[in-house]
Amino acid sequence: AQKITQTQPGMFVQEKEAVTLDCTYDTSDPSYGLFWYKQPSSGEMIFLIYQGSYDQQNATEGRYSLNFQKARKSANLVISASQLGDSAMYFCAMREGLMKTSYDKVIFGPGTSLSVIP
Amino acid sequence: DTAVSQTPKYLVTQMGNDKSIKCEQNLGHDTMYWYKQDSKKFLKIMFSYNNKELIINETVPNRFSPKSPDKAHLNLHINSLELGDSAVYFCASSQVPLNTEAFFGQGTRLTVV
Repeated sequence: AQKITQTQPGMFVQEKEAVTLDCTYDTSDPSYGLFWYKQPSSGEMIFLIYQGSYDQQNATEGRYSLNFQKARKSANLVISASQLGDSAMYFCAMREGLMKTSYDKVIFGPGTSLSVIP
Repeated sequence: DTAVSQTPKYLVTQMGNDKSIKCEQNLGHDTMYWYKQDSKKFLKIMFSYNNKELIINETVPNRFSPKSPDKAHLNLHINSLELGDSAVYFCASSQVPLNTEAFFGQGTRLTVV
């Protein structure tokens, strides 16, 4: 079963506008971490932001914020004031905590391709 | 200083050949991974090692054999390469606490012809 779902294969946003990239996850582990990565066309994986399952506040890092809704199992990434350099693939990922067979892997969603239009 | 480095960056080889991809991390992390990214950009975990011990083998054909000589290195050897092995292979490392991200190497684009 898919553990991470990203329902938007492709998104467009006007430069300087905000955009939300959706991510839902599935786990029975009470302890987990959620990550967002950016992969530009050059191919490297760039870590953007982290949210822990016990964190009370939504994570923020500069123009990136994570809209964490635990009961709905969603962890959407919000990018404010989009820039042309934000055009890339964006991956939501999860790391589970307590189950020994799971704790040593980070699993990824299928990704969302974001294009920023000038 | 490159945190996670993998070589080579590009690898073009013929079907049936055997090839290796090397990975080293200088972050002092206990856990290292290999991921395969297919043509649709889907990232699938292949292996996970913790302190040189294999933790996860995600139903990868046994033509793929990871080797971890020490906790800073995790190499991937592939025997009898097939066309379907063409992909980008990423090495990554992380620490045990959940609130630490995985650091990725630059990727190795393998093309089997």
